[in-house]
Amino acid sequence: SQQGEEDPQALSIQEGENATMNCSYKTSINNLQWYRQNSGRGLVHLILIRSNEREKHSGRLRVTLDTSKKSSSLLITASRAADTASYFCATVYSGAGSYQLTFGKGTKLSVIP
Amino acid sequence: NAGVTQTPKFQVLKTGQSMTLQCAQDMNHNSMYWYRQDPGMGLRLIYYSASEGTTDKGEVPNGYNVSRLNKREFSLRLESAAPSQTSVYFCASSETGLGGYTFGSGTRLTVV
Repeated sequence: SQQGEEDPQALSIQEGENATMNCSYKTSINNLQWYRQNSGRGLVHLILIRSNEREKHSGRLRVTLDTSKKSSSLLITASRAADTASYFCATVYSGAGSYQLTFGKGTKLSVIP
Repeated sequence: NAGVTQTPKFQVLKTGQSMTLQCAQDMNHNSMYWYRQDPGMGLRLIYYSASEGTTDKGEVPNGYNVSRLNKREFSLRLESAAPSQTSVYFCASSETGLGGYTFGSGTRLTVV
């Protein structure tokens, strides 16, 4: 079954606004990652946050992680039309003998110029 | 840097036909993965190979087989294709499975 669930499923904003996407997961994790997928393309890794971290920044991206609530958020500041894509959170289980990435269903972001 | 290369990019099969999807990575990664993506379902793991010489089932392995041919290559085989296997298939690799994954551009498969 899918580990993560993103919220909202779709988000439409104006260029220059901030976009916030949320993710909830079910089991304890080693880390949580966010990926972007442009239409018809492969996924691109954006940022990774470990279970002992609470916040991480990369350029216009800010990710938070609350392990007590099993949730994460991705904030994209000053959005651009080029940010239009689907965004997925994905988790790596902790305690497994080997590691796999389990994905949520994604948030489709539209940035209107 | 090619990263992860998948072939073919598009394929149409008739029900019952077989085919092999090829994947190769040039980053010397240990772990490789096959996912399928269906509308509204996100990505689901079919099979993975944590290291050369090992393979394990993921969430949706039925109807598929895999071969880790060497450290670079990981193939996915459909022995008898079914319409339910119509999907976009992604191969990915990771140095250990814990870090970020690098994805190929996908194979769009239609089974009629």
